[in-house]
Amino acid sequence: DVKVTQSSRYLVKRTGEKVFLECVQDMDHENMFWYRQDPGLGLRLIYFSYDVKMKEKGDIPEGYSVSREKKERFSLILESASTNQTSMYLCASSPDWTAAFFGQGTRLTVV
Amino acid sequence: ILNVEQSPQSLHVQEGDSTNFTCSFPSSNFYALHWYRWETAKSPEALFVMTLNGDEKKKGRISATLNTKEGYSYLYIKGSQPEDSATYLCAARGGTSYGKLTFGQGTILTVHP
Repeated sequence: DVKVTQSSRYLVKRTGEKVFLECVQDMDHENMFWYRQDPGLGLRLIYFSYDVKMKEKGDIPEGYSVSREKKERFSLILESASTNQTSMYLCASSPDWTAAFFGQGTRLTVV
Repeated sequence: ILNVEQSPQSLHVQEGDSTNFTCSFPSSNFYALHWYRWETAKSPEALFVMTLNGDEKKKGRISATLNTKEGYSYLYIKGSQPEDSATYLCAARGGTSYGKLTFGQGTILTVHP
């Protein structure tokens, strides 16, 4: 079974902190994604990557950056956390442009 | 950005009822339509990926259809069970196989015993 693992289920950070959300997949997938989920808004794409060191902006990249130094790991970075980044963050991977496999989500609260 | 809409936002049904939800998307610039089920405290899980107009897919009591000309997909659940309670998400990929996957807001289904 494909496994996509996010480093934390719950995280509380202070405004202005630099925050790292880590995601690891164990199936050698080329493509990895970061989404955030907010009530009534569905999943919104923040960034995605189709290869090591490659990244593309999604629909809401402002305030975020990403890093993909190894194929299995895709990190989301909040450069200076703000309260409006309080959300559920979901990482996903896919072997090609078909169905995505999701991690369990990280619920981030910025206070 | 593709505009993907799902309806209804939420649905309450009794065990044994059959139900269906709708996902609408722009019919131009379409590549693929995905359905996912997201149960509480679990990860979203892929149900179907469809690309061709008229596609129909089935998985147990759940089936889906796709109309790319008019830009909609239906998800059907026959004989709903309490374990079907979840958020059902659809997502559309536009343009090419490398296009972004844009999700709708989801339909929250609650099946009462």
